[in-house]
Amino acid sequence: GAVVSQHPSRVICKSGTSVKIECRSLDFQATTMFWYRQFPKQSLMLMATSNEGSKATYEQGVEKDKFLINHASLTLSTLTVTSAHPEDSSFYICSAGTGGYKTNQPQHFGDGTRLSIL
Amino acid sequence: KQEVTQIPAALSVPEGENLVLNCSFTDSAIYNLQWFRQDPGKGLTSLLLIQSSQREQTSGRLNASLDKSSGRSTLYIAASQPGDSATYLCAVRANDMRFGAGTRLTVKP
Repeated sequence: GAVVSQHPSRVICKSGTSVKIECRSLDFQATTMFWYRQFPKQSLMLMATSNEGSKATYEQGVEKDKFLINHASLTLSTLTVTSAHPEDSSFYICSAGTGGYKTNQPQHFGDGTRLSIL
Repeated sequence: KQEVTQIPAALSVPEGENLVLNCSFTDSAIYNLQWFRQDPGKGLTSLLLIQSSQREQTSGRLNASLDKSSGRSTLYIAASQPGDSATYLCAVRANDMRFGAGTRLTVKP
């Protein structure tokens, strides 16, 4: 089955550090990837949608300059949390799928990255 | 903007009971609906995917139904077990993919 690998699974770093999270589709080409953020005991909140080769579409309230998304290839998308602060601590999950924006193809999820900013 | 609601927010049942989790969505123009399970501190496990043209999907003790016109889906769990304890999330896929807040299920031995 389709596998999405997310790395790293856990990050602990000092305030002011920039952190890069990778989302890779291992056995398929992902034209669309979604990035989510999840606070404790809450659901997944969509942060942004990215299609390969184009700029990401950010949800209202998500700072584009804070959360940089790059989807440069069909198998890799990265989320960089720039100058992270304690309030950025959260669980970040990516998903990847084929077929682009408008499709009934399933999205496959990574195992998530737990980011803790001290 | 699509809004996804799950009821109840939490549910506690004794082992062996059959139970139903509910999911509703505001925009019926969806491609599919997916049910997930999430254990504390973990990622998502996909349970069932229902395409917009389908009415239900079954996997083992799980059965999910979809009524797209009314914006509703249910997840039926038969003969619940303590190992079923987790948070269950539904998500609808249109141009993006949006999640409900989840139902936290506890099955007591």
